[in-house]
Amino acid sequence: GQNIDQPTEMTATEGAIVQINCTYQTSGFNGLFWYQQHAGEAPTFLSYNVLDGLEEKGRFSSFLSRSKGYSYLLLKELQMKDSASYLCAVILLSSGSARQLTFGSGTQLTVLP
Amino acid sequence: GAGVSQSPSNKVTEKGKDVELRCDPISGHTALYWYRQSLGQGLEFLIYFQGNSAPDKSGLPSDRFSAERTGGSVSTLTIQRTQQEDSAVYLCASSLAGGRADQPQHFGDGTRLSIL
Repeated sequence: GQNIDQPTEMTATEGAIVQINCTYQTSGFNGLFWYQQHAGEAPTFLSYNVLDGLEEKGRFSSFLSRSKGYSYLLLKELQMKDSASYLCAVILLSSGSARQLTFGSGTQLTVLP
Repeated sequence: GAGVSQSPSNKVTEKGKDVELRCDPISGHTALYWYRQSLGQGLEFLIYFQGNSAPDKSGLPSDRFSAERTGGSVSTLTIQRTQQEDSAVYLCASSLAGGRADQPQHFGDGTRLSIL
């Protein structure tokens, strides 16, 4: 079966750095996505990792270790608007060549002034 | 269109009724996905379309759920004889090509379905 774990909630202060971890146990791993979802809105794409290492995109970075089944999303210089749910999703190979995403339950990040 | 469009945005219906949810993907996106997000839970994959065909229906929770896609564009998700446990946000996503793992899926705002 597939299992993706991430913390349910995190709190951080404006201007700080926060790291959101995600661990997974899956078969047929073909990459990992991070999405941001504000309440009542659509998830929006943040990053994609398929090789080990760090991918940096402005204030956001994402890291992957395939051997450890581990990823993290790093948010720097936090802003109030970063308060949202952050979804870790693993993309799997399936019999129909579909690239369905298997999501974790999401981490609700609250940024305090 | 500019983004994935879903309608209706909200649907309230009585238990036992049928509902139809619509998704209009981003123009040119051949892959289309339906997910369900229940309160406090992660997104749950329902079905995937590549063009008009659905090679992966593994996520449909029961035979009350069906989906179709016509003209390689608009898709409808139909739930027959709705039950209270069907209450959730139904999200549609599309991507350029289903066969490329690195193509991000772009989501619509979802349809919030409430079964009374």
